[in-house]
Amino acid sequence: AQSVSQHNHHVILSEAASLELGCNYSYGGTVNLFWYVQYPGQHLQLLLKYFSGDPLVKGIKGFEAEFIKSKFSFNLRKPSVQWSDTAEYFCAVNGNNAGNMLTFGGGTRLMVKP
Amino acid sequence: GAVVSQHPSWVICKSGTSVKIECRSLDFQATTMFWYRQFPKQSLMLMATSNEGSKATYEQGVEKDKFLINHASLTLSTLTVTSAHPEDSSFYICSAGPFSYEQYFGPGTRLTVT
Repeated sequence: AQSVSQHNHHVILSEAASLELGCNYSYGGTVNLFWYVQYPGQHLQLLLKYFSGDPLVKGIKGFEAEFIKSKFSFNLRKPSVQWSDTAEYFCAVNGNNAGNMLTFGGGTRLMVKP
Repeated sequence: GAVVSQHPSWVICKSGTSVKIECRSLDFQATTMFWYRQFPKQSLMLMATSNEGSKATYEQGVEKDKFLINHASLTLSTLTVTSAHPEDSSFYICSAGPFSYEQYFGPGTRLTVT
């Protein structure tokens, strides 16, 4: 079975600070990895995804994530956050034997102070 | 990107009644759709996998007789909460994707059972 853990439940940053949200997964085979964002009152949106190739993935709005296979990690980063980045962020994994099923981490609530 | 819609966006019903929630893929066909439940300030929990033309697959702990899923066509899946009770109040979200391993999420349906 696949599982995902996000260690930071709540993060508070000031604008222009750098962001790194941790995501670790547990799965024995090949995985596809995703970060989703949920802005207040809105539905989930895909930030970025990793299927194969370059382990450093760039997504929308200046976000990036790095897949480190040896650490089973897929941390999300942004060099300089903005107030508009205030949202909840979910890491998700899809194992190659799981069809289209996604398993989500517990989410990280990010608040950016202006 | 692909668009997934849900209807209604918010429903209030009395305890003991049944409520049907629709999930539609607007610009692609989906043989598989997923239904999630999200409690306040918590992550998404997969309830079931909806398969077009066959029975849904339910996750452990989800009552299939209470949460009836019908995947009537390649663009429509419905979730019916039967004999709803206040503890069924939650945010229900569906997802679907035109390609393997890539899911797009509907805006969610907020169910309030009084």
